Amino acid sequence: GAGVSQSPRYKVAKRGQDVALRCDPISGHVSLFWYQQALGQGPEFLTYFQNEAQLDKSGLPSDRFFAERPEGSVSTLKIQRTQQEDSAVYLCASSRTGTAEAFFGQGTRLTVV
Amino acid sequence: DQQVKQNSPSLSVQEGRISILNCDYTNSMFDYFLWYKKYPAEGPTFLISISSIKDKNEDGRFTVFLNKSAKHLSLHIVPSQPGDSAVYFCAASASGKLIFGQGTTLQVKP
Repeated sequence: GAGVSQSPRYKVAKRGQDVALRCDPISGHVSLFWYQQALGQGPEFLTYFQNEAQLDKSGLPSDRFFAERPEGSVSTLKIQRTQQEDSAVYLCASSRTGTAEAFFGQGTRLTVV
Repeated sequence: DQQVKQNSPSLSVQEGRISILNCDYTNSMFDYFLWYKKYPAEGPTFLISISSIKDKNEDGRFTVFLNKSAKHLSLHIVPSQPGDSAVYFCAASASGKLIFGQGTTLQVKP
């Protein structure tokens, strides 16, 4: 498709379970971002890739969060031993190098029960 | 420490009138500013942007104003339409990553 695609759209995880969220960026977009959006808040930056290089992971809330983009295209955000406070919408965005306009996917709503 | 702030959680406007959404920032290193629109259950959609070297950018019914000395930007929508009802986020760019405000919910009444 032409846009950023995220899967799954919804994920319910039991506390302590590991989850993996997938992002397919727009073809040709070099930069890829992950954001976390809690209810009623703006998106909070998690991490940023340029091609396969993770240039900034300062927003990852703990070492339970891990992101990768091994071939510079599809990215996966993994959360280990999920906790209730991880419940949020996880947004992925991509952009061409040198531009700031990032295009977002529909997000994955994670609910930890 | 909130670097980008939208102090009005909500705004209600009559159809056909002007909507003005405001945003303040604290980091003078931000070099690019954007507005995004978000409908429920969808990701944010890019609306309009402005470089820090400009003070105004216009695209159809949407105009963004930047006041660098006041560290303030605003989005004007004229005329407002019911389909504009959504959550609006301002964002600022530094080192390639976007920092978002908390959002303002705009309701345009017919």
